[in-house]
Amino acid sequence: IVLTQSPGTLSLSPGERATLSCRASQSVSSSYLAWYQHKPGQAPRLLMYAVSNRATGIPDRFSGSGSGTVFTLSISRLEPEDVAVYYCQQYRNSPTFGQGTKVEIK
Amino acid sequence: QVQLVQSGAEVKKPGASVKVSCKASGYTFRSYGITWVRQAPGQGLEWMGWISGYNGNTNYAQKLQGRVTMTTDTSTSTGYMELRSLRSDDTAVYYCARVDSNLFDYWGQGTLVTVSS
Repeated sequence: IVLTQSPGTLSLSPGERATLSCRASQSVSSSYLAWYQHKPGQAPRLLMYAVSNRATGIPDRFSGSGSGTVFTLSISRLEPEDVAVYYCQQYRNSPTFGQGTKVEIK
Repeated sequence: QVQLVQSGAEVKKPGASVKVSCKASGYTFRSYGITWVRQAPGQGLEWMGWISGYNGNTNYAQKLQGRVTMTTDTSTSTGYMELRSLRSDDTAVYYCARVDSNLFDYWGQGTLVTVSS
């Protein structure tokens, strides 16, 4: 399954809402869709799983939605610490990642 | 707390092999799998494969079949990833992660492997 993320880069001001898109080449079964946050120099961090469930310790300004082939990660009020590359991932059998969306602060 | 600690950076020549280790602590090793993910410079994340901590069953990415071997040592709670016939495009940071219900929930700190003549 090929995952395509858009936009490539998102540049927003603190407090703004960020909306990241992930489209799959075929339906992602049983909601096996996750999001990871990857900050420079750090290991990736699990953010969301099963489309809309936040991982342990993830603040509630992060939310996920979607089904089938179209998924969205939203950050309701962007904070400087949210600067990172965000990857969607399908994890049904042979996992694949999207190419990532870079979130920057203006 | 769950921790995955990886071995240090490596520099290898083309055609050589590299073996990266990933020592787990803070959980029952046999109850979870270990996966390996790499990131080449300026690129995204690439899944390489995974291994069951329970029975050693593996599933490798098709692209790396025949060049990669993942193993575990349950006596030391350590996972290993060996990549053979290294090429320059294998230069990357290699991460291990714990697998829980197919999710990668805890990650190692990463190991830089540089392939250069």
